[in-house]
Amino acid sequence: EAGVTQFPSHSVIEKGQTVTLRCDPISGHDNLYWYRRVMGKEIKFLLHFVKESKQDESGMPNNRFLAERTGGTYSTLKVQPAELEDSGVYFCASSQVIPSRGGELFFGEGSRLTVL
Amino acid sequence: AQSVTQLDSHVSVSEGTPVLLRCNYSSSYSPSLFWYVQHPNKGLQLLLKYTSAATLVKGINGFEAEFKKSETSFHLTKPSAHMSDAAEYFCVVSDHGSSNTGKLIFGQGTTLQVKP
Repeated sequence: EAGVTQFPSHSVIEKGQTVTLRCDPISGHDNLYWYRRVMGKEIKFLLHFVKESKQDESGMPNNRFLAERTGGTYSTLKVQPAELEDSGVYFCASSQVIPSRGGELFFGEGSRLTVL
Repeated sequence: AQSVTQLDSHVSVSEGTPVLLRCNYSSSYSPSLFWYVQHPNKGLQLLLKYTSAATLVKGINGFEAEFKKSETSFHLTKPSAHMSDAAEYFCVVSDHGSSNTGKLIFGQGTTLQVKP
């Protein structure tokens, strides 16, 4: 069974440009999450989809970030325009059951974003 | 609000000696607690989880953790370190603020070095 896959693994862009990160969850997982780790900081929650709906987007830093999950399958996270402080590793995860009910999140390898 | 503190940013042990990675949590609710591991250039992998069942939780690769409510701790241990255990370890608590949330709160991470 394929795990969570993320693309690209690494992206280098200039400040002001746009980047779109993609996540393919494990088949059958209704729950999809985005997390981010900026340099020297802890991993932080961005948002949670249940199927195509945003269940919790309390961690999205500002309106330059747009997450979508059309059709409830793969998800994209767009940063537009990118700023220097957006540099970091963006993790996607999926699960059948949410963690507060004992579910396990399966994480992708992350997309490393470098904004110059 | 929930929070988690990993008391050591870096731990170094010799191969074959015990491992202790310390974690304290703060939660207004009965927490769900997890330990995740990240090997270089890999995704996060679940080691073990506590969800209000047995307080001593056994995980993969010989790791275990004990939930101690009186000490608000969830330390990770292993009797004998192996070279392959070298990685970054994260103590994680599930946010129970909303019953349907999928949000996880991560500690700052502990890098485990294993010396031959």
